[in-house]
Amino acid sequence: DGGITQSPKYLFRKEGQNVTLSCEQNLNHDAMYWYRQDPGQGLRLIYYSQIVNDFQKGDIAEGYSVSREKKESFPLTVTSAQKNPTAFYLCASTGVYTVNTEAFFGQGTRLTVV
Amino acid sequence: GIQVEQSPPDLILQEGANSTLRCNFSDSVNNLQWFHQNPWGQLINLFYIPSGTKQNGRLSATTVATERYSLLYISSSQTTDSGVYFCAAGNKLVFGAGTILRVKS
Repeated sequence: DGGITQSPKYLFRKEGQNVTLSCEQNLNHDAMYWYRQDPGQGLRLIYYSQIVNDFQKGDIAEGYSVSREKKESFPLTVTSAQKNPTAFYLCASTGVYTVNTEAFFGQGTRLTVV
Repeated sequence: GIQVEQSPPDLILQEGANSTLRCNFSDSVNNLQWFHQNPWGQLINLFYIPSGTKQNGRLSATTVATERYSLLYISSSQTTDSGVYFCAAGNKLVFGAGTILRVKS
């Protein structure tokens, strides 16, 4: 099946620990995105990448880091510098050099930091 | 960067009623999408509609790119239509704040 997979679905961490969220796609999409959603709120862009080995900060990049070593993978690390890391994290991918740039999302990771 | 605004923020309907959700965007875009977020948080693709009109069952959407807005029509609403509707646009896939729809039986 073609799609975008996020893992794990639920994640619990102690305050002060770094944690890495996985996002993998087999849609052959060039661009990948990470969003954060707080309860009752919209989606805010953390980082995005339009090509391997390159990525750009979104609106709320502080306290987060990413890498894009492979086209299929765009992991997000939530560092201890992120003041309020508990949230719902969503990953998306789209084509870039294609006529159709429809975005598809993974099922999300709910991170709880205690 | 591009700004995306959605209206209304909240909408309560009686089952069977029709509704129109609006999405305004501040700059020309080559992509515009509508999503429905289900109670588990998953974003369901409704329409990819940079311009023109599309229909899928009881739902349809129209984007007037020259006037920088898009409309999502829901006809004969059902309780299962409840949830949050988002539009997103632009190369950075900027999201609006969403419309919370509640359909009462």
